[in-house]
Amino acid sequence: QTVVTQEPSLTVSPGGTVTLTCASTTGAVTSSFYANWFQQKPGQPPRALIYSTDNKHSWTPARFSGSLLGDKAALTLSGVQPEDEADYYCLLFYGGTWVFGGGTRLTVL
Amino acid sequence: EVQLVESGGGLVQPGGSLRLSCAASGFTFSSYWMHWVRQAPGKGLVWVARIKTDGSSTNYVDSVKGRFTISRDNRKSMMFLQMNSVREEDTAVYYCARGASSGYVVSYWGQGTLVTVAS
Repeated sequence: QTVVTQEPSLTVSPGGTVTLTCASTTGAVTSSFYANWFQQKPGQPPRALIYSTDNKHSWTPARFSGSLLGDKAALTLSGVQPEDEADYYCLLFYGGTWVFGGGTRLTVL
Repeated sequence: EVQLVESGGGLVQPGGSLRLSCAASGFTFSSYWMHWVRQAPGKGLVWVARIKTDGSSTNYVDSVKGRFTISRDNRKSMMFLQMNSVREEDTAVYYCARGASSGYVVSYWGQGTLVTVAS
């Protein structure tokens, strides 16, 4: 069974930079996994941030960026704002099916 | 404006059936893959199923294979999830989401509909 792993929680100071990662039990995450990233705040549906590893949607703030970092997909927030406090999920493509990571709860403190 | 509106959720007994609907507007529905994603109370997101633009190809997470069926009606810009033999662990908010016309992206989401499986 494929498992996608994210940091359960991270804390960052306002104005700081934080990187969230997304790993696969099948091995290295490459561009062929077309990593997507989503932000979810309490009581709201998820909001798409990044697709195909490093592409931003038209509504994605410039401080969010996606990349591959070693053998993982990564989401970096630079100049973190208080409103960035949320749960973040990655989504990886496995040649027909998709699998979400367990999510990272980001606290801005 | 892209809009996705789910409906059909509610309380269903274990072993029962339920049909969820997703009404789409604001885009050319027939040009996009569509997905169902669920989220159990207090838990993370789980990808459930996807369907190709013309309905000719579908994929499912293992836990729902043989029990759930995804379908679409492009004339009505609607997507469906037929849920049979439901289990308590199927209790979740079910979201519909728009996939890609080309490429690999999941972009717009509906507000979700709650399915509760309990006796």
